[in-house]
Amino acid sequence: KNEVEQSPQNLTAQEGEFITINCSYSVGISALHWLQQHPGGGIVSLFMLSSGKKKHGRLIATINIQEKHSSLHITASHPRDSAVYTCAVMSPETSGSRLTFGEGTQLTVNP
Amino acid sequence: NAGVMQNPRHLVRRRGQEARLRCSPMKGHSHVYWYRQLPEEGLKFMVYLQKENIIDESGMPKERFSAEFPKEGPSILRIQQVVRGDSAAYFCASSPPAGQGTEAFFGQGTRLTVV
Repeated sequence: KNEVEQSPQNLTAQEGEFITINCSYSVGISALHWLQQHPGGGIVSLFMLSSGKKKHGRLIATINIQEKHSSLHITASHPRDSAVYTCAVMSPETSGSRLTFGEGTQLTVNP
Repeated sequence: NAGVMQNPRHLVRRRGQEARLRCSPMKGHSHVYWYRQLPEEGLKFMVYLQKENIIDESGMPKERFSAEFPKEGPSILRIQQVVRGDSAAYFCASSPPAGQGTEAFFGQGTRLTVV
């Protein structure tokens, strides 16, 4: 079993829909990242959080430390949101800022 | 303040050749991490380096792969005698020398194709 599990693996939505991507982890963490990667593109860190909730534009990320679960929400989705979204954790049991990744969620938003 | 710079962006090598991937961290960052993304797979940790020191290489294949981060210049990930299975996107991230829990910033990646 992977230390970081994401669901769903693939998600197709219509423009304007509310989207949720889930992440569960089995290790103790010091922080959790949500990353975005467009096809052939680099990796962008959307959020780094260790508790509570963060919001940036149409994106919201939440984390429940007790339940070892995080969600990424996209409100009013748009075709330009189509990308792979990956959850990644930093653990005090691993070195430095080393990240352990989920398998990613491929999001496609159709116009 | 330029971000993490990786070059080349794309690299094509024939089987048996050597591949050298470079990563220049953000200014002021002394920690570098290399990650590999195989086709249709998620990202996997390879190696964590500080200047002139390998801190954690637990994710590096035991043969043909090596990494360095010299006192001057970029970090280099070197793959000797490349095989088709080495074809992947290789990402570098850097972070400042502030200990655990520090955010890491990613480069654009090098896409290696072995033909």
